[in-house]
Amino acid sequence: GQNIDQPTEMTATEGAIVQINCTYQTSGFNGLFWYQQHAGEAPTFLSYNVLDGLEEKGRFSSFLSRSKGYSYLLLKELQMKDSASYLCAVSRYGNNRLAFGKGNQVVVIP
Amino acid sequence: DTAVSQTPKYLVTQMGNDKSIKCEQNLGHDTMYWYKQDSKKFLKIMFSYNNKELIINETVPNRFSPKSPDKAHLNLHINSLELGDSAVYFCASSLGTGADTQYFGPGTRLTVL
Repeated sequence: GQNIDQPTEMTATEGAIVQINCTYQTSGFNGLFWYQQHAGEAPTFLSYNVLDGLEEKGRFSSFLSRSKGYSYLLLKELQMKDSASYLCAVSRYGNNRLAFGKGNQVVVIP
Repeated sequence: DTAVSQTPKYLVTQMGNDKSIKCEQNLGHDTMYWYKQDSKKFLKIMFSYNNKELIINETVPNRFSPKSPDKAHLNLHINSLELGDSAVYFCASSLGTGADTQYFGPGTRLTVL
């Protein structure tokens, strides 16, 4: 099976940087996704990591360490619209199930 | 030009009724999914179809029956609705199987009274 762990909630100020962590235990690891979900809306794709290292996309970056079963999503220059839940999801070889973590709620305050 | 669409957006019904949710994608993807997101916001896979063939069937009561008339459509029929079925149901699609990015529909909020 898969075990995915994320902290549940954090509050940060506009303009700040936040790091959202995700740890996982799985066999046949085939990549990790980050999704953003605003309240009452659908999850939207942010990033995908399959190799170790940092992927940067504008204000958002995602890091993966396969040996440690660890990923983080870094949000820079926080904006009010970044208030949302951030979900990590793990893919395994041989199937297309995405196993989602419970999500981390980020609240951005002025 | 909506990529993944679902109807209805909201569904309120009585226990014991039968209801359906429809999903369509215009991305040309081969694979479609149904997810359930409960009140604790935990998103869990229910079913997946690839080119109209069922490839994932998680431990879901057989009151839930998916149907894929073609690869652009995946519907979900639920018989004998129960209180515990209240949740948001998301449809998603991806180009293929494996680690292809999944794109989600807007969700259907089902409330069973």
